Amino acid sequence: GQNIDQPTEMTATEGAIVQINCTYQTSGFNGLFWYQQHAGEAPTFLSYNVLDGLEEKGRFSSFLSRSKGYSYLLLKELQMKDSASYLCAAGGGADGLTFGKGTHLIIQP
Amino acid sequence: SAVISQKPSRDICQRGTSLTIQCQVDSQVTMMFWYRQQPGQSLTLIATANQGSEATYESGFVIDKFPISRPNLTFSTLTVSNLSPEDSSIYLCSVLTGGDTEAFFGQGTRLTVV
Repeated sequence: GQNIDQPTEMTATEGAIVQINCTYQTSGFNGLFWYQQHAGEAPTFLSYNVLDGLEEKGRFSSFLSRSKGYSYLLLKELQMKDSASYLCAAGGGADGLTFGKGTHLIIQP
Repeated sequence: SAVISQKPSRDICQRGTSLTIQCQVDSQVTMMFWYRQQPGQSLTLIATANQGSEATYESGFVIDKFPISRPNLTFSTLTVSNLSPEDSSIYLCSVLTGGDTEAFFGQGTRLTVV
């Protein structure tokens, strides 16, 4: 099975940087995904990591350490529209994805 | 990437009836996945739908309650049967693309059972 932990809620300031951590324990591993979900909407794919290291995509970066079962999502130059839930998910392939409970990120002016 | 059209976007159903949700993808994909997101919760995988074979269900989900069809590589349906208020949830279909490195979701179906 899979167990994924991430903080329930975080608060950050517009223009700042925030790091959302995720730890996972899995019986099999095909990759680590991050999603953004605004209230009432479907999740939007942000990133995928399967190798150790940092993947950068504009203001968003994602890091993976497979030996530590650890990932983080880094958001830079925060904007008010970044207020959303951020979901960490592990798996992929034929097993589908196992999601964490999500981190509700609140951006303050 | 993949564009997924899911319908209906929302429905209100009577207890004891069934709702069938459709998911259409703009490209051929081997596996399609159905998830449930209960109010205030994260996503839970219901089943994996493979073309030409029976769906694979996760623990706690059974075919009689959640029958799935996968007639071709671009389309799938999920039926939620014998509805009860506990089935009120958002149901989402998903596909993996890019060699399983990207996973995309349909817009979701918000089901309310009264």
